[in-house]
Amino acid sequence: QKEVEQNSGPLSVPEGAIASLNCTYSDRGSQSFFWYRQYSGKSPELIMSIYSNGDKEDGRFTAQLNKASQYVSLLIRDSQPSDSATYLCAVRGGGGNKLTFGTGTQLKVEL
Amino acid sequence: NAGVTQTPKFQVLKTGQSMTLQCAQDMNHNSMYWYRQDPGMGLRLIYYSASEGTTDKGEVPNGYNVSRLNKREFSLRLESAAPSQTSVYFCASHWEGTGELFFGEGSRLTVL
Repeated sequence: QKEVEQNSGPLSVPEGAIASLNCTYSDRGSQSFFWYRQYSGKSPELIMSIYSNGDKEDGRFTAQLNKASQYVSLLIRDSQPSDSATYLCAVRGGGGNKLTFGTGTQLKVEL
Repeated sequence: NAGVTQTPKFQVLKTGQSMTLQCAQDMNHNSMYWYRQDPGMGLRLIYYSASEGTTDKGEVPNGYNVSRLNKREFSLRLESAAPSQTSVYFCASHWEGTGELFFGEGSRLTVL
């Protein structure tokens, strides 16, 4: 079982719709959770971080964390073509500094 | 403020050649990381350094060595390059305040 799992996609949504990206993790001691966005040929950039159960909103982005289910998700409201990218889920375990990444979900927002 | 700077950005090697990827950060972060990214594989940790003078293996360390020269610099060396090491390499530094990683622009390495 991979430590951090994501559906590779592509996930296609129409412009203006809500995109829902999901991630599960195996280490129950994990403390910190991150969503990075990566455009083709570019480096990853942080868009959301979440540390406690529940929802965290930042503009059009909402991160959701459920530690009991070992599940973290990212919702993108009013999706725009500029949101088309690969979204990487990353988890920091309870044991140290290592950040483990999922394989990423490719999102395509269509006009 | 440059953030994380990696050199070179592109490199082509022949099998068996050696090279060093350089990374420097100007954010005064303690921890630095080297990842490789391959299609369908996501980012995989090669080595990391929690502080100056310490290094630890990550998920895929074989074929690589690292040096944490000082707090700013963390280099990755391929002693005898193999085609399986063709990849995009990312250096990152870690801000302990939020746990965020800041990435360099990446180094695209091709081993023929």
